[in-house]
Amino acid sequence: DQQVKQNSPSLSVQEGRISILNCDYTNSMFDYFLWYKKYPAEGPTFLISISSIKDKNEDGRFTVFLNKSAKHLSLHIVPSQPGDSAVYFCAAAQGTYKYIFGTGTRLKVLA
Amino acid sequence: NAGVTQTPKFQVLKTGQSMTLQCAQDMNHNSMYWYRQDPGMGLRLIYYSASEGTTDKGEVPNGYNVSRLNKREFSLRLESAAPSQTSVYFCASILNSNQPQHFGDGTRLSIL
Repeated sequence: DQQVKQNSPSLSVQEGRISILNCDYTNSMFDYFLWYKKYPAEGPTFLISISSIKDKNEDGRFTVFLNKSAKHLSLHIVPSQPGDSAVYFCAAAQGTYKYIFGTGTRLKVLA
Repeated sequence: NAGVTQTPKFQVLKTGQSMTLQCAQDMNHNSMYWYRQDPGMGLRLIYYSASEGTTDKGEVPNGYNVSRLNKREFSLRLESAAPSQTSVYFCASILNSNQPQHFGDGTRLSIL
């Protein structure tokens, strides 16, 4: 049973536009959420996180939104750049050391 | 600053062979993890070690064993490799809970 789901396997966006990546989860006990970016042949790198006590967190071009009632997480990238082309994973944890990842969304930013 | 180092980077095994994947971190982190990444499946947790001396099963532990050798090192062992274990394996570590994980660059394992 997939507790963290990314229903869009891929997304293409024009350079300069907004990229919106989505993530849904089923476990209401999750209290910490993260987004990672992954380039080919490299390990995932941390991008941004949010605690369940917040509904928004910003870091430069990246903003994560959390809707606890809908059990939904989204990552906004504004403006999108060609270097943002990568696979993006969302992950969730429940106050323990167990982190569960989604299946990933491949973002392609077109120049 | 090396971060999380995984060895080897690539390996080809025959069905039934055994293999140990090594992972070491130099960040004085308390917790360490092993994941596998398969197409369309994302990153799935195999085992994790919340602290030195403890290990726990993740989502897909069958066919694997782990050893937290010391605070720095966490190894993953395949006792009798099967083609279904062909994957890219990632090791990760964190200092404390509810903090971002740091990942190694992965081990690509093919089992024929």
